[in-house]
Amino acid sequence: EVQLLESGGGLIQPGGSLRLSCAASGFTFSTYDMAWVRQAPGKGPEWLSVISGTGLTTHYADSVKGRFTISRDNSNNTLSLQMNSLRVEDTSVYFCAKSRGSLYRVWDSWGQGTLVTVSS
Amino acid sequence: VLTQSPGTLSLSPGERATLSCRASQSLSSSYLAWYQQKPGQAPRLLIYGAAIRATGIPERFSGSGSGTDFTLTIRELEPEDFAVYYCQQFGRSPPTWTFGQGTKVEVK
Repeated sequence: EVQLLESGGGLIQPGGSLRLSCAASGFTFSTYDMAWVRQAPGKGPEWLSVISGTGLTTHYADSVKGRFTISRDNSNNTLSLQMNSLRVEDTSVYFCAKSRGSLYRVWDSWGQGTLVTVSS
Repeated sequence: VLTQSPGTLSLSPGERATLSCRASQSLSSSYLAWYQQKPGQAPRLLIYGAAIRATGIPERFSGSGSGTDFTLTIRELEPEDFAVYYCQQFGRSPPTWTFGQGTKVEVK
């Protein structure tokens, strides 16, 4: 059974930094693209970033480009998101998600999410 | 941009639900998906490739459409189907994923 467990969320002041982690199990982690998706209260999901199975290729949404960095440790089955220069509008629940594969480009497993609140 | 309609659908259990998702540009059916989300939970993949049910998804859920217009149909609503539904598209260059604003299916 695929399991994804996020951690690292919390309350942070504007301009601060936070690092989220996602522990993966139940599948061959290194063979799947992984992503971070966030959801602000009462809003739809917003894709933030994707990383290839090898970790060599990454892409970002314009809203976080230059501020957030996605990475992965395939030896420990862990996905990370380093978030710098946080803004009030970054307040959201952050989910990690597993790709179904390269053909259909959808996210077939999600973690339960971790809440990030940016406020002074 | 993906535009979903209606914003809210008020139906009774046993009724048929028809949800619409319209894309601002034509996209490959391979790159259109639907998710279900219940309060306090993560989104759950229902349909991918516009019409393929994900693993474990009941047959009462079906997807259709092509080009810019896509539809999610729930044949006979069960109590557990009342939730928010999002469509999602994949854009190839550069790779981006975009979600619609959602349709809430609520009990009438």
